[in-house]
Amino acid sequence: EAGVTQFPSHSVIEKGQTVTLRCDPISGHDNLYWYRRVMGKEIKFLLHFVKESKQDESGMPNNRFLAERTGGTYSTLKVQPAELEDSGVYFCASSPLGGASGYTFGSGTRLTVV
Amino acid sequence: GESVGLHLPTLSVQEGDNSIINCAYSNSASDYFIWYKQESGKGPQFIIDIRSNMDKRQGQRVTVLLNKTVKHLSLQIAATQPGDSAVYFCAEKVGGSYIPTFGRGTSLIVHP
Repeated sequence: EAGVTQFPSHSVIEKGQTVTLRCDPISGHDNLYWYRRVMGKEIKFLLHFVKESKQDESGMPNNRFLAERTGGTYSTLKVQPAELEDSGVYFCASSPLGGASGYTFGSGTRLTVV
Repeated sequence: GESVGLHLPTLSVQEGDNSIINCAYSNSASDYFIWYKQESGKGPQFIIDIRSNMDKRQGQRVTVLLNKTVKHLSLQIAATQPGDSAVYFCAEKVGGSYIPTFGRGTSLIVHP
């Protein structure tokens, strides 16, 4: 079974540019989550999809961040325009419907804004 | 350079020693706790979990202890190996929530 796949693994962009991160969850997992870890700090929740619907987006820092999950399969997280403080590792995780304890994380996208 | 606040708590041990990683959680209503291991270049990986109706749970070479009185969680790793070197995160969850709250992480360095 393929795991959670994230692309790209690394991205370096200039302040003001746009970046789009992609997450492919485990096939059949209805729950998809985005998290972010700023260097040396905790892993912070960004948002949660159930299928194509946003269940909880309370962790999204501001309106420069836009997440989508059209069709309830893969998800994208767009940052536009990127700021220096957006640098960090963005993790995606998925779990089966009803499987609140069955998280599987992807390897993350390391975003560096310069 | 980096400020001190950006450095993770770090535990350095010799191969073969036992390791104890501690975590203070914040929400007294949390009833489910998880330890994750994150190796360099990888995402967090589930190690072991425990529910609040237990105070100890054992896995293979790992034991989680829960002290609800002082809101403290610990992960014990027996006979630590170089492959155990990683950042370890504790996470807490309340009731039916799908969203665990993660701690800051502890870096474990195992010296051969």
